[in-house]
Amino acid sequence: EIVLTQSPGTLSLSPGERATLSCRASQTIISSYLAWYQQKPGQAPRLLIYGVSSRATGIPDRISGSGSGTDFTLTISRLEPEDSAVYYCQQYGGSSQTFGQGTKVEIK
Amino acid sequence: EVHLVESGGGLVQPGGSLRLSCAASGFTFSTSWMHWVRQAPGKGLVWVSRISSDESTTGHADSVRGRFTISRDNAKHTLYLQLSSLRDEDTAVYYCARSAGGYFDLWGRGTLVTVSS
Repeated sequence: EIVLTQSPGTLSLSPGERATLSCRASQTIISSYLAWYQQKPGQAPRLLIYGVSSRATGIPDRISGSGSGTDFTLTISRLEPEDSAVYYCQQYGGSSQTFGQGTKVEIK
Repeated sequence: EVHLVESGGGLVQPGGSLRLSCAASGFTFSTSWMHWVRQAPGKGLVWVSRISSDESTTGHADSVRGRFTISRDNAKHTLYLQLSSLRDEDTAVYYCARSAGGYFDLWGRGTLVTVSS
């Protein structure tokens, strides 16, 4: 099973700043099978990014994904108060999908 | 508008059983792979089960294999998860999700299962 480790655990930033979230895999993720989700309290997760860098429908271009192999990054430029949430990475290249433990983004 | 709506959660004693349902609307359910993902209180997301569009292929996480069974009724546009031999650690919100090539592009709002005596 591929283990995903996200860092940092919590990110506290001000509106307008850039957030950089990391997701590291225990083994190479094939065919760019990595996604990112946003989850706000009391809500279901929402797909942000799939295939490492493809934005889902309706996701603004200030949210972007990058990376390859075992190291992946979600970047949120120009943070807005609505970006306050927990962000999860997910790999879907193996026989079973796995998620990272999440990074909480707090807006000061 | 596309929707997934889960139901069937509740309070159940350890060792008990429960069947969750997920009603789909607004898209072609019969051609979609579907999954269940759970989230224990205050914890992260954990994949539970998946089923192919024609029900020919299913898969379960090691933690639930032999206890949970995923199924679907394409005529009723409904996904199911039969939970048996429930344990305290199965307490969670259970989400159904549509798979689009492995990632989940549509989620329901979830149904809470609480296992407690």
